[in-house]
Amino acid sequence: DAMVIQNPRYQVTQFGKPVTLSCSQTLNHNVMYWYQQKSSQAPKLLFHYYDKDFNNEADTPDNFQSRRPNTSFCFLDIRSPGLGDAAMYLCATRGGGSEYQETQYFGPGTRLLVL
Amino acid sequence: TQLLEQSPQFLSIQEGENLTVYCNSSSVFSSLQWYRQEPGEGPVLLVTVVTGGEVKKLKRLTFQFGDARKDSSLHITAAQPGDTGLYLCAGVRGAQKLVFGQGTRLTINP
Repeated sequence: DAMVIQNPRYQVTQFGKPVTLSCSQTLNHNVMYWYQQKSSQAPKLLFHYYDKDFNNEADTPDNFQSRRPNTSFCFLDIRSPGLGDAAMYLCATRGGGSEYQETQYFGPGTRLLVL
Repeated sequence: TQLLEQSPQFLSIQEGENLTVYCNSSSVFSSLQWYRQEPGEGPVLLVTVVTGGEVKKLKRLTFQFGDARKDSSLHITAAQPGDTGLYLCAGVRGAQKLVFGQGTRLTINP
């Protein structure tokens, strides 16, 4: 059974048109992450939530926002997508314990295309 | 900025051959993880190495963490077509943030 679910798997949007990507988890994990992965590049962390505490990476553009209304769901909002925002967006979760070996579980990703 | 450099970035070999992928950094990490990512899917954790010099084996895959905890290697013995995929190393830093290498895209030809 899928533990980290991302919808939709493929999203096409127009230049400048706001878009929201969704992530849900059945693991009851405290921590949720959003990564951006461009073709042939490493996943890049955009931000993460520890419970309700939002942590933004310093180099994440203001165009990217996130919401976590409850433990299970987390959303990535791109306010005005540009052509350079076309990428795979990965959601991941972690239990949130102090054990540094704890696994991050990744969803299948949403591939975003900007026209 | 903590960076992880993976080499080679692309590798195409014949079934049955052995290969090694390297992951190097100028920074020390508390631990290092290796992931495998298939097309259209998210990365899946293969192993976490924690102690300098540590060696872990997962069937035909052998993972090693450098003594100084700055580098790691993945060795695959007798590669099979099912090993094809993108292999990512990731250094673990504070608050369980992962710093990924750019990946090694491995193709095993039958």
